Amino acid sequence: AQTVTQSQPEMSVQEAETVTLSCTYDTSESDYYLFWYKQPPSRQMILVIRQEAYKQQNATENRFSVNFQKAAKSFSLKISDSQLGDAAMYFCAYIRNNAGNMLTFGGGTRLMVKP
Amino acid sequence: GAGVSQSPSNKVTEKGKDVELRCDPISGHTALYWYRQSLGQGLEFLIYFQGNSAPDKSGLPSDRFSAERTGGSVSTLTIQRTQQEDSAVYLCASSPGGTQGKNIQYFGAGTRLSVL
Repeated sequence: AQTVTQSQPEMSVQEAETVTLSCTYDTSESDYYLFWYKQPPSRQMILVIRQEAYKQQNATENRFSVNFQKAAKSFSLKISDSQLGDAAMYFCAYIRNNAGNMLTFGGGTRLMVKP
Repeated sequence: GAGVSQSPSNKVTEKGKDVELRCDPISGHTALYWYRQSLGQGLEFLIYFQGNSAPDKSGLPSDRFSAERTGGSVSTLTIQRTQQEDSAVYLCASSPGGTQGKNIQYFGAGTRLSVL
């Protein structure tokens, strides 16, 4: 079975600074996707960034980027120039590349942004 | 609608009562998922629909939980004889399915269920 682990229950960052959230996963599959979702107090999970396992290049979306280390099964999220609106729960998630498979989530990291 | 819609937003019920939670997916999305988010268990998969059929019910925690999807669109999750441990946020997600979906699931804002 696949597992996803987020070892940092809470993180704090100063506004405009950079923060990195950690995620490790365990799978025997070679073809999969990894995601970071953001969940603000409104509860709606918002997709932040997606990485295909077969791509070596790290995904980037504006201020958000990942460091994907497939051999180490590590998938960290870097948020640059942190903004107050970035404060939320962040979930790392894994899905096997087959239509219909469920997402497996990590336990989440609560990110606080200090003004 | 533009996104996944769930109703009610919040539901308070008494132990032993039945509840129905509704999910209206993004138009055209063939795949629909239910997840449960609770303090002790994190985010757990409950059930997956492809069209109207449910090939994967492996996450339903007990036979008190059931779900259906009609017309390949709206889905309802029913919890019978609710227990206090059923208190959680129930999240629904939909996906276009197939290779075009790129495995991305789009979530609703969830229903917060409180069982007194």
